[in-house]
Amino acid sequence: LAKTTQPISMDSYEGQEVNITCSHNNIATNDYITWYQQFPSQGPRFIIQGYKTKVTNEVASLFIPADRKSSTLSLPRVSLSDTAVYYCLVGEGHSGYSTLTFGKGTMLLVSP
Amino acid sequence: DAGVIQSPRHEVTEMGQEVTLRCKPISGHDYLFWYRQTMMRGLELLIYFNNNVPIDDSGMPEDRFSAKMPNASFSTLKIQPSEPRDSAVYFCASSTGRLDVFNYGYTFGSGTRLTVV
Repeated sequence: LAKTTQPISMDSYEGQEVNITCSHNNIATNDYITWYQQFPSQGPRFIIQGYKTKVTNEVASLFIPADRKSSTLSLPRVSLSDTAVYYCLVGEGHSGYSTLTFGKGTMLLVSP
Repeated sequence: DAGVIQSPRHEVTEMGQEVTLRCKPISGHDYLFWYRQTMMRGLELLIYFNNNVPIDDSGMPEDRFSAKMPNASFSTLKIQPSEPRDSAVYFCASSTGRLDVFNYGYTFGSGTRLTVV
């Protein structure tokens, strides 16, 4: 399983754009990149996933360079409610099954 | 859809007692996962099932832990006997298994907070 490395914590203010970068140097050809968000006392919640280039949904954007050895989760105009732990994961997506290994995640603190 | 349903939400038990955690996955999801979360170790995958069959239980800490999935809509995680170091939040998640742009990854339940005193 590809190991991921991401910052332990980040601070931001309301209204700012936040970019969280994750390194996954030994990502395999079949691996997708997935991000989850976890609030206290809740289970992780899927945010976004991608394979290459850029993916955007109503919550975030995910930028993946051509070599796929890293990825960046971009949260536009964060609010206090975006304070959470964000996990970057890689997992196989083509063979019909996958398991995801969670690292320590990035604790994002958004201040007024 | 009500999502992944776990029960109980909180469980406090004495050391040595048997504890059973329950999970109802999302209908149609053929993969079910049990995770454990602690401050020290983060989120750990304990075991996962595919079509009710255990596929990988290498994350189960020891023989005191056992998991079953008697049908597609129900799974249990049992600890017998329980110990204080088992105190953690236990999450159940379900998935269709395929990671692609049309899939939404794992759906987690709200967890069971277990305290063993």
